[in-house]
Amino acid sequence: AQSVTQLGSHVSVSEGALVLLRCNYSSSVPPYLFWYVQYPNQGLQLLLKYTTGATLVKGINGFEAEFKKSETSFHLTKPSAHMSDAAEYFCAVRQYSGAGSYQLTFGKGTKLSVIP
Amino acid sequence: ETGVTQTPRHLVMGMTNKKSLKCEQHLGHNAMYWYKQSAKKPLELMFVYSLEERVENNSVPSRFSPECPNSSHLFLHLHTLQPEDSALYLCASSQDSAGARSHGYTFGSGTRLTVV
Repeated sequence: AQSVTQLGSHVSVSEGALVLLRCNYSSSVPPYLFWYVQYPNQGLQLLLKYTTGATLVKGINGFEAEFKKSETSFHLTKPSAHMSDAAEYFCAVRQYSGAGSYQLTFGKGTKLSVIP
Repeated sequence: ETGVTQTPRHLVMGMTNKKSLKCEQHLGHNAMYWYKQSAKKPLELMFVYSLEERVENNSVPSRFSPECPNSSHLFLHLHTLQPEDSALYLCASSQDSAGARSHGYTFGSGTRLTVV
């Protein structure tokens, strides 16, 4: 079964500093990987995804992530944090659930705080 | 507006009540999902519907009863809930049950349920 591990349940950065949120996955097949963001009292919004092809993927709001097979990682980065980036971030991997169906398995989430 | 609408946004119910959560999507998607999000726990997949047929039921207690009358609507009927069922219930949709492969899910804003 596929799974994801997000290192650090809370991350704090200063406004303007680099954002790095870590995600490692385990998968016996080439993974499809996703990052979602959740703002308070909202659902999850897709930030970016990796399926095949280029290993560096760019998403919305200036975020990007790099798929590194050798490290089984899919870390999320942003060069300069904004106050509006404060939210919870979830990494997810596609998992085959049988009968031609797939589901997303989510990590536990990392809450990002941005300090003025 | 994310394309997936959940009502109500907030619900407080007693343990002997019966209530229903509603989810509606007009994205032309054929798969719909119920997730439970509790504090300090990963997102838990509860039910998956593909083309109005339930394809996944992750050992959810029978006090939760899903209904998918058509590809645009999904309900979660609740009865005799327990206080530990208090959580954010998220609905999501994808193009099909294999849609997670390429497009991920579109989530609603959730229903915040409190059982008293």
